[in-house]
Amino acid sequence: AQTVTQSQPEMSVQEAETVTLSCTYDTSESDYYLFWYKQPPSRQMILVIRQEAYKQQNATENRFSVNFQKAAKSFSLKISDSQLGDAAMYFCAYRTTLGWKLTFGTGTRLTIIP
Amino acid sequence: AAGVIQSPRHLIKEKRETATLKCYPIPRHDTVYWYQQGPGQDPQFLISFYEKMQSDKGSIPDRFSAQQFSDYHSELNMSSLELGDSALYFCASSLGLRGTDTQYFGPGTRLTVL
Repeated sequence: AQTVTQSQPEMSVQEAETVTLSCTYDTSESDYYLFWYKQPPSRQMILVIRQEAYKQQNATENRFSVNFQKAAKSFSLKISDSQLGDAAMYFCAYRTTLGWKLTFGTGTRLTIIP
Repeated sequence: AAGVIQSPRHLIKEKRETATLKCYPIPRHDTVYWYQQGPGQDPQFLISFYEKMQSDKGSIPDRFSAQQFSDYHSELNMSSLELGDSALYFCASSLGLRGTDTQYFGPGTRLTVL
């Protein structure tokens, strides 16, 4: 079974600084998808970024980028120029290309310090 | 852009009662997913439907049932409610065979069982 591990229950960063959230996963599959979702206090689940395992290039969405290390099964999220609105719980998620469900990590609560 | 709609947003029930949660996917999306998120937990996959057929099943109790209708909306029926069923229930939708596209989440239904 696939598992997703987020070893940082909480992180904090000064506003305008850069922070990196860690995620590792365990799978025997060679092709899959990885995601970062953000859950602010409203509890809405918002897609931040997506990475296909067959793509070597790291995904980027504005201030959000990932460092995807397939051999190490690592998928970290870097947030640049942190803003107060980035404060949220961040979940790393995995899905196989042949499957339907998302498997989530336990989340990292990010606090932005003004 | 249109998003996933869930109703009701909040629901309070007594133990042993029945509840029905509804989900309206993003227009043209043909796949819906249900997730349960307990307090302080990550979302757990319950069940999914592709083109009105069950496509995958997770840790969904036998007391729960779900279906997808001809207009692609879905309903999650929960019977003999227990205190432990209190949670945030998300519906997500995607487009494509094998759910190859990204899952977009609705705002969730908060169920409280007293």
